[in-house]
Amino acid sequence: GNSVTQMEGPVTLSEEAFLTINCTYTATGYPSLFWYVQYPGEGLQLLLKATKADDKGSNKGFEATYRKETTSFHLEKGSVQVSDSAVYFCALTDISSGSARQLTFGSGTQLTVLP
Amino acid sequence: GAVVSQHPSRVICKSGTSVKIECRSLDFQATTMFWYRQFPKQSLMLMATSNEGSKATYEQGVEKDKFLINHASLTLSTLTVTSAHPEDSSFYICSAPRQTKGTQYFGPGTRLLVL
Repeated sequence: GNSVTQMEGPVTLSEEAFLTINCTYTATGYPSLFWYVQYPGEGLQLLLKATKADDKGSNKGFEATYRKETTSFHLEKGSVQVSDSAVYFCALTDISSGSARQLTFGSGTQLTVLP
Repeated sequence: GAVVSQHPSRVICKSGTSVKIECRSLDFQATTMFWYRQFPKQSLMLMATSNEGSKATYEQGVEKDKFLINHASLTLSTLTVTSAHPEDSSFYICSAPRQTKGTQYFGPGTRLLVL
């Protein structure tokens, strides 16, 4: 079956520090990979995605590259801000059949950025 | 703007009562919607897949008589927590895949507290 393993948190960084949150996956088909962000008290928001190997998803200064050879999709940001404090979820969905299916989530990583 | 809404955003009820949560896709049709449950500081756990025009598909361990799902139209799915008990207190989140974009959109979530 499909699974997502995410770096355990919590992660605490100072403002302008470099961020990496590791994510690896196992999948039986051809998954699409996602990073979702959940701000305190809110639902999940799609941060970025990649649908095939070597694709790079990017948004709001965050990036992640779909690495099939290492089955990874690590999230990075060069300079974090206090407003980036949230919980980050790595996820995958297998859309090899051509239709979107339910997402498989990692355990989430709590990020706190201090001023 | 939001493409999936949930109502209510927060509900407090007495033990033994039933609570209905609505999930709506706002500007697209969704033949499938997903219901997740999230415990504090944990990841999302898929509860069931809501299918328009047919019965919902429940994940292993989820009581279908406890969590009634009705996909009334192409833009509305409801989750009814029947005879709620304190252990049902949780954050319930729905999502809807937008087929043309291959992306799932999440509702903002409903926080249920059963006293």
